[in-house]
Amino acid sequence: QVQLVESGGGVVQPGRSLRLSCAASGFSFSNHVIHWVRQAPGKGLEWVALISYDGTSYYYADSVKGRFTISRDNSKNTLYLQMSSLTIEDTALYYCARAPYTSSWSPYFDYWGQGTLVTVSS
Amino acid sequence: QSVLTQPPSASGTPGQRVTISCSGSSSNVENYYVYWYQHFPGTAPKLLIYNNNQRPSGVPDRFSGSKSGTSASLAISGLRSEEEADYYCAAWDGSLSAALFGGGTKLTVL
Repeated sequence: QVQLVESGGGVVQPGRSLRLSCAASGFSFSNHVIHWVRQAPGKGLEWVALISYDGTSYYYADSVKGRFTISRDNSKNTLYLQMSSLTIEDTALYYCARAPYTSSWSPYFDYWGQGTLVTVSS
Repeated sequence: QSVLTQPPSASGTPGQRVTISCSGSSSNVENYYVYWYQHFPGTAPKLLIYNNNQRPSGVPDRFSGSKSGTSASLAISGLRSEEEADYYCAAWDGSLSAALFGGGTKLTVL
């Protein structure tokens, strides 16, 4: 069955960096666009970034552009989110989510992970 | 302030029909597909509607989606207590080159 398992969350000080991972299994990882979505405490869902099936195209929310980098290793069936210059506003539960398409950027997510919590605090 | 605007709250009694709106613009809702998600905080969101009005397998036909111009709606008929959750619309924005979620609507079943 399709599984997405996030890891790498934790407590980090403002200004520091953190890398999240999303391990995929149960499907052909290299055939799907994958996204990161987050939810800050008491707030709604916020789209963060997406990466194409082959890793050559990516898009970011304005709130993270220039600070976050999405990447993937199709040989390891793993998605990454490198987060730098973290601020308190980046505190959130981070989900990876699979799109059913190879080439569409739509926020059409048929499978989600359970999330990994990032807390930015001094 | 989200680019996609949803009412922050909605409510209904069991068995009632409720609708949740999602207002956007020509950069997003009008020209791109709209998606709807049900979310219980701390758990993985669940896809309810894709491509404006299509239901994934396993989603009851009590859930329906529609779109007209720059607005979309999610309707839930025969409301059940277990459907008390947060509901989000989502769409791609061609001007921003970004995916967007609405601010979310907290549905209360009275």
